[in-house]
Order: sequence, then structure tokens, then C-alpha cells
Amino acid sequence: QSALTQPASVSGSPGQSITISCTGTSSDVGGYNYVSWYQQHPGKAPKLMIYEVSNRPSGVPDRFSGSKSGNTASLTISGLQAEDEADYYCSSYTSSSPVVFGGGTKLTVL
Amino acid sequence: QVQLQESGPGLVKPSQTLSLTCTVSGGSISSGGYYWSWIRQHPGKGLEWIGYIYYSGSTYYNPSLKSRVTISVDTSKNQFSLKLSSVTAADTAVYYCAREGSVLSGSYSGFDLWGRGTLVTVSS
Repeated sequence: QSALTQPASVSGSPGQSITISCTGTSSDVGGYNYVSWYQQHPGKAPKLMIYEVSNRPSGVPDRFSGSKSGNTASLTISGLQAEDEADYYCSSYTSSSPVVFGGGTKLTVL
Repeated sequence: QVQLQESGPGLVKPSQTLSLTCTVSGGSISSGGYYWSWIRQHPGKGLEWIGYIYYSGSTYYNPSLKSRVTISVDTSKNQFSLKLSSVTAADTAVYYCAREGSVLSGSYSGFDLWGRGTLVTVSS
């Protein structure tokens, strides 16, 4: 079971938009619409930001959006704010094991 | 409001068994619809799914840990537990319990609820 591939880091200035990719295979990201995204601030537990590719739980700002194309899912944050600086993880259902996470992406707000 | 709280020893000796319990408050494990999970995070690293259990006792484990992991549920106490055997320093991590609306339970909603996590150090 290999982890999903995410860029190690991304950065952006306040007000800008950034996109974090999450690449898997046809056995996970590409095969199912069961992709979720998590935000984790230092020393805190992860927080669900997106589920089922593009659905936002109640309370998550609409600046956060998700999409998928082929074997790659993406998280886009528009109107970047300082509080968005955190680590972000994707997760997917897989045919070989119900859950696999991405390696994580550190978002820096410049 | 449903909350999760991990508990257990913060220090485990090498070759011993790590045991943690997650207590669910504000809701019932037996209400169905969710899988109850263990996830860990090595210091400075990413998330690793360990496994999860349904209230009925049905379990799924990460293949890379399956030979050492047992997850159980006690619906009378509204708790679920993790046992990881033959631990080494590589098992030192923050361990989280979490709830997932899994595709396996018929309605996917991701890991929507997490405990605060507990650091377990493996050292003699």
C-alpha cells in the first residue's frame, strides 16, 4: 500500500489562490470518488476540510474547494489567509485497503 | 456533541504490546454508520492509517501492520481499543482515534471527528 503523492510544500501570498495535488492510481483516487482532505496545524489533530472529492463539511469556508481529474485530486484554497498556513493531507479509499493517506503538504503563507 | 479521547501509557518498552483506548462521549458507538479508527503520526511525519472497527466487530487493518495489530470494541463502555504487539522505536508516534463515515458503512464522509492524540514513546 503506497502513500498518495503530494508536493512537500507550496506557498502563496495572502489573497492569492493555491492548489495542492494528490496523485494516486486507478485503484484509489482514480477509481473512486472517496477522496478527503485534512488540515493540521502544529500540535493539533487533523481537521476534515473536504470529503467525497468536493464536499465541504459544515463550518468549512467556501474558500476551500476540491476536484479530481483522472488519478489526481486537488485541493484549492482561494483568498489565502494567514490562518491557512498548516499541513494538508489527502486520503482515499483503496481497493486493496480501505484507507491510504498522502504524504502531506506544508502550506506557507508568505 | 460527540467527542473522542485517547488514553493509555505514554511509554512502552521494546518488544512489549502497546495498548490504547478511545472513549466516545456524547454519542453511541452502536448507532452505526461509522467506522472507528486508529491513525498514527510519527514525529514530524505524515499520517498513517492503522485500522478501524465497526460496532459489530468487523475490522480492517493496514496490510503493513496487520500482523501486529488488534482493534476491538466494547459497546457497553462506548470504547474501542488498539493493541500493537512487538513494538520497536519505529512505533514511537502520536496515536489518534478518529471516526470515519466509511464507504464500507454505506455513506462516505471522511474522518470527521478526531481525538486530540496521545504520544506513545517506545524506549527501554
